[in-house]
Amino acid sequence: SQTIHQWPATLVQPVGSPLSLECTVEGTSNPNLYWYRQAAGRGLQLLFYSVGIGQISSEVPQNLSASRPQDRQFILSSKKLLLSDSGFYLCAWSRIGGSTDTQYFGPGTRLTVL
Amino acid sequence: SQQGEEDPQALSIQEGENATMNCSYKTSINNLQWYRQNSGRGLVHLILIRSNEREKHSGRLRVTLDTSKKSSSLLITASRAADTASYFCATLRGGSYIPTFGRGTSLIVHP
Repeated sequence: SQTIHQWPATLVQPVGSPLSLECTVEGTSNPNLYWYRQAAGRGLQLLFYSVGIGQISSEVPQNLSASRPQDRQFILSSKKLLLSDSGFYLCAWSRIGGSTDTQYFGPGTRLTVL
Repeated sequence: SQQGEEDPQALSIQEGENATMNCSYKTSINNLQWYRQNSGRGLVHLILIRSNEREKHSGRLRVTLDTSKKSSSLLITASRAADTASYFCATLRGGSYIPTFGRGTSLIVHP
């Protein structure tokens, strides 16, 4: 069976500090990978998606970047965090070529920038 | 622009009652999915309905789709306190493999 991991679960960082959130998927190969941000009480904002190693598409211009160094690893980074980067970050995967494109989400990372 | 919009934004009911949530969207779709999110957790896929389907059931869940009105509803029958969560619809447009999520309905079921 497939599982998706995210870490850390919670993070408190000062403004201006760097960020690295990691997501890994097990039990499948060549998945589509996604990073979402969810503000308190709001819906999901798609930040980045990837269809393969080294292939990253950005949906929203911002202070963040993403990388996919390995097939099942997706990293969200920032060089200097802003207060507005606070939120709940969710990683998800879906099957490439799947007819339903159901997304499977990780447990999320709660980021607070102070 | 927001493709899927759920209403109501919040719903509070007693255990045993039915809960109905609606989702409206703007463009034609291939399918529509409903997800559930417990507080502070990731989303979990509940049910998918294709554009050529009108109704689908899964346990206590019933989903309808009206493509002429560009709307869908999720009915949870005989609700339980454990159904307390946020519910999101996600639409998949033709030619895209990336679903677009609405802002969700927050459901509270009182025991």
